[in-house]
Amino acid sequence: AQTVTQSQPEMSVQEAETVTLSCTYDTSESDYYLFWYKQPPSRQMILVIRQEAYKQQNATENRFSVNFQKAAKSFSLKISDSQLGDAAMYFCAYSLVEGSGGSNYKLTFGKGTLLTVNP
Amino acid sequence: GAGVSQSPSNKVTEKGKDVELRCDPISGHTALYWYRQSLGQGLEFLIYFQGNSAPDKSGLPSDRFSAERTGGSVSTLTIQRTQQEDSAVYLCASSKGQGFKEYFGPGTRLTVT
Repeated sequence: AQTVTQSQPEMSVQEAETVTLSCTYDTSESDYYLFWYKQPPSRQMILVIRQEAYKQQNATENRFSVNFQKAAKSFSLKISDSQLGDAAMYFCAYSLVEGSGGSNYKLTFGKGTLLTVNP
Repeated sequence: GAGVSQSPSNKVTEKGKDVELRCDPISGHTALYWYRQSLGQGLEFLIYFQGNSAPDKSGLPSDRFSAERTGGSVSTLTIQRTQQEDSAVYLCASSKGQGFKEYFGPGTRLTVT
């Protein structure tokens, strides 16, 4: 079974600084997707960034970028120029690309990292 | 609507009662997922719909839980004889299909007293 581990229950960062959130995962598959989701107090899960395992280039979305180390099964999220609006719970997640039974894209989540941004 | 909507936003029920949670996906999204978010277990997959069929029900924790989807659109998650351990936030997500981005609703917070 696939597992996702986020070892940092809480992190804090000063506004305008950079912070990195860690995520490791375990899978025997060679092809899969990895995600970072943000959940503010409103509970709405918002996709921050997605990485396809077969792509070697790290995904980037504006101030958000990932460091994807496939061999090490590591997928960290870097937030640059942190803003007060970045404060939220961040979840790392995994899904398969192909499989059987139509269940391929269900997400397996880590426990989350609560990010605080200090003004 | 612009996004996935869920109702009710909050539900308080007595132990032993049945509850129904509703999800309205984004129009045209064929795939629909239910997840449960609880303090002890984190975020867990419950069930996946493709159209009106549910090829994966593996996450439903017991036979008290059931779900259906009609018209390839609205889905209802039903919990019978609720227990205190059912207290959680129930999240719904939809996507255009397998491999496309999942959009989440705001969730229903269920409290069983």
